[in-house]
Amino acid sequence: DIQMTQSPSTLSASVGDRVTITCRASQSISIWLAWYQQKPGKAPKLLIYKASTLESGVPSRFSGSGSGTEFTLTISSLQPDDFATYYCQQYTSYLFTFGPGTKVDIK
Amino acid sequence: QLQLQESGSGLVKPSQTLSLTCAVSDGSISSGGYSWNWIRQPPGKGLEWIGYIYHSGTTYYNPSLKSRVTISVDRSKNQFSLNLSSVTAADTAVYYCARGLDYMDVWGKGTTVTVSS
Repeated sequence: DIQMTQSPSTLSASVGDRVTITCRASQSISIWLAWYQQKPGKAPKLLIYKASTLESGVPSRFSGSGSGTEFTLTISSLQPDDFATYYCQQYTSYLFTFGPGTKVDIK
Repeated sequence: QLQLQESGSGLVKPSQTLSLTCAVSDGSISSGGYSWNWIRQPPGKGLEWIGYIYHSGTTYYNPSLKSRVTISVDRSKNQFSLNLSSVTAADTAVYYCARGLDYMDVWGKGTTVTVSS
């Protein structure tokens, strides 16, 4: 089974900061990587799929990159609405796996 | 805009079977090559994918839950269902349904299931 890790587990940042979250897979997953944002009490929201494709309606300050085993989610200028938990998710061999999450909180 | 709505028993006794249904509205469960997924999130923890079904009835399950999970589809009612057997307190979670490709783009709001006697 493919395992996913994320770093850091918690990130403290200020409005306007550039934020980068890393997701690593235990083996190559090509570009089959998605990113979600989740706020307390809400369902996850898809941000990026196929490693770097922005979901319709998602602000352009969000971007994704990477392939193989290492991926990044970047928020170019953190906004008040972006304080949340972010999860990566892989899809290979017909199975999904989520990363453990990265909580972005206010510094 | 496709919508998903979970429903089912909110309180389940240990060793019994958890049963949930996801109703699909403003769209057909038989359209396209989508998978129909169940995901759960224990209190204060991360997301765990449970499994999915295609409208054809083909299923794929998380290996860690496979022995206890059954997902079924009812195309006539435009819904799909989750059964999780022999539940314990560790199965207490918010359960979500979601539409999938290699990612999940439409999610239900989630339903809380508590396992307790």
